[in-house]
Amino acid sequence: GAGVSQTPSNKVTEKGKYVELRCDPISGHTALYWYRQSLGQGPEFLIYFQGTGAADDSGLPNDRFFAVRPEGSVSTLKIQRTERGDSAVYLCASSLGAGNTQYFGPGTRLTVL
Amino acid sequence: GDSVTQMEGPVTLSEEAFLTINCTYTATGYPSLFWYVQYPGEGLQLLLKATKADDKGSNKGFEATYRKETTSFHLEKGSVQVSDSAVYFCALKTSYDKVIFGPGTSLSVIP
Repeated sequence: GAGVSQTPSNKVTEKGKYVELRCDPISGHTALYWYRQSLGQGPEFLIYFQGTGAADDSGLPNDRFFAVRPEGSVSTLKIQRTERGDSAVYLCASSLGAGNTQYFGPGTRLTVL
Repeated sequence: GDSVTQMEGPVTLSEEAFLTINCTYTATGYPSLFWYVQYPGEGLQLLLKATKADDKGSNKGFEATYRKETTSFHLEKGSVQVSDSAVYFCALKTSYDKVIFGPGTSLSVIP
């Protein structure tokens, strides 16, 4: 079956611009996670949704980052006033629910010039 | 806080060599432990997992045993292939469902 999909696969933007990154989880998965992977490092947790609500957003680095999941399926990660330090691969994962294995999407590579 | 430490790479091995990638963790409670693999140009894939002490996870010839007494989850494979070339991430999942990853170990297998 279809895995987690993310769009776009690559995004290049200029410093100060606003970007949206989309994640389509595996059908039926109620839990959705966002991670950020900087070059040469392991992924770092950003936020976790159970259904429509953010169960844990402790990993969001600052208030420029925001994520939504209005219907409990697709999620959008929004970054305002992008900075060069935001350049990274943004990974989305989904699972059947809390405590279950997380399956990762291919990621969106964000480059802020 | 919870954390994962892995041996630094890159690791270069000849085909059919024995592989060990060391992983140790620090966590409160009883985390689940994972190895994820990232092949060149691809996304993260779950390689194997163990959910409690003394469990052994295995997949594709890779094995790792959850050792609570040494807080370790070392990855091993008896005979590596060129197709095993990838970056390997050790990870733990806390009771709050957050996965914490190690920095990754790059493996190159040469014919």
